[in-house]
Amino acid sequence: DTAVSQTPKYLVTQMGNDKSIKCEQNLGHDTMYWYKQDSKKFLKIMFSYNNKELIINETVPNRFSPKSPDKAHLNLHINSLELGDSAVYFCASSPPGRRSYEQYFGPGTRLTVT
Amino acid sequence: QKEVEQDPGPLSVPEGAIVSLNCTYSNSAFQYFMWYRQYSRKGPELLMYTYSSGNKEDGRFTAQVDKSSKYISLFIRDSQPSDSATYLCAMSPTGGGNKLTFGTGTQLKVEL
Repeated sequence: DTAVSQTPKYLVTQMGNDKSIKCEQNLGHDTMYWYKQDSKKFLKIMFSYNNKELIINETVPNRFSPKSPDKAHLNLHINSLELGDSAVYFCASSPPGRRSYEQYFGPGTRLTVT
Repeated sequence: QKEVEQDPGPLSVPEGAIVSLNCTYSNSAFQYFMWYRQYSRKGPELLMYTYSSGNKEDGRFTAQVDKSSKYISLFIRDSQPSDSATYLCAMSPTGGGNKLTFGTGTQLKVEL
């Protein structure tokens, strides 16, 4: 009965490769997010989708491309991986309306680029 | 200067102590204030949620917001070893959509 799930949990890859991270939520939420948490634990939003529509796109290199096939899924594809992309990536979702500030996070995907 | 500042700690307290965690912020547009708890190698989980100024209590946890000082606090009473985690404050402006701005987190260790 996992609420927000991500796969894979760990990802080790070499510079220049392309990789994808998948996220699914079974909470019935309309809005989903991708966050990046660096080695100092700083958590920063990357993207937000509401009902499959992109609503937040922070200053993220265009090597990062989110895709939302339906409102329960939000995937993140990263092209030409760089050393600086090493971080923990969290997917999150939130309910609509006034409670949209309550965000529910997945367990994270620890990406290491060598 | 970051929009939200938070002392990274680590903060180490004995079991049963009262813990005070704080954040300051610079954006006066922030209206929604959250505290998230993150255990090691896990995702953050929402602990407390406050709109505008005032206090909110939930069991051993009390959240305070002082918008005039741009200062928010989380108090933990009767702290337990299971409270050992990183505590992240987060904020959002009214009408800012769902974009949360997080502090860097304070690492708390409650020792037996």
